[in-house]
Amino acid sequence: EPEVTQTPSHQVTQMGQEVILRCVPISNHLYFYWYRQILGQKVEFLVSFYNNEISEKSEIFDDQFSVERPDGSNFTLKIRSTKLEDSAMYFCASSGIGQGKETQYFGPGTRLLVL
Amino acid sequence: GENVEQHPSTLSVQEGDSAVIKCTYSDSASNYFPWYKQELGKRPQLIIDIRSNVGEKKDQRIAVTLNKTAKHFSLHITETQPEDSAVYFCAATRGGAQKLVFGQGTRLTINP
Repeated sequence: EPEVTQTPSHQVTQMGQEVILRCVPISNHLYFYWYRQILGQKVEFLVSFYNNEISEKSEIFDDQFSVERPDGSNFTLKIRSTKLEDSAMYFCASSGIGQGKETQYFGPGTRLLVL
Repeated sequence: GENVEQHPSTLSVQEGDSAVIKCTYSDSASNYFPWYKQELGKRPQLIIDIRSNVGEKKDQRIAVTLNKTAKHFSLHITETQPEDSAVYFCAATRGGAQKLVFGQGTRLTINP
């Protein structure tokens, strides 16, 4: 069964550095999402993406964040200047077409630690 | 915007007993309600979902009920097994490809 994949699984960075988190959504999916989960808390929506543009973003998704689909398979989340509070697990998700676009499948996550 | 409340935050049951987790939502336009199971350090995995045109859905030992009038939905797990131990999240969305709004999660522990 196809799955969403994410790299790296873990990333440690210094405050102020840029990080890029990478995702490969399920191949025939058209809708892509980023969520984050601070340790022990609920999953929070960051941004959704369709047809090469952002569909919706949360208040968390400020100017420090950007998303891109650089080619036909990857979907990336960039944090330009990381802050301590960006430390979290970041999940990519994707959904398909028709009624399937409601059902979001999650990747394994990237655990980001900002020091 | 949508707000999803989930209870209880922790639940401990004896193996073989049933477990029930409840969620309420605030946005009457929400029409799709998935449940995810998350084992420690792993991705949330969809275990069952329900759409607003249905009141109940069952898949083997797992069932979900939806009360649109009261704006609440529940997950029922029967004949619990140790492998059911995990954190369970409910979510709500207006459907289409819109954002999921998650509840706070329930840590379910099955005692052998």
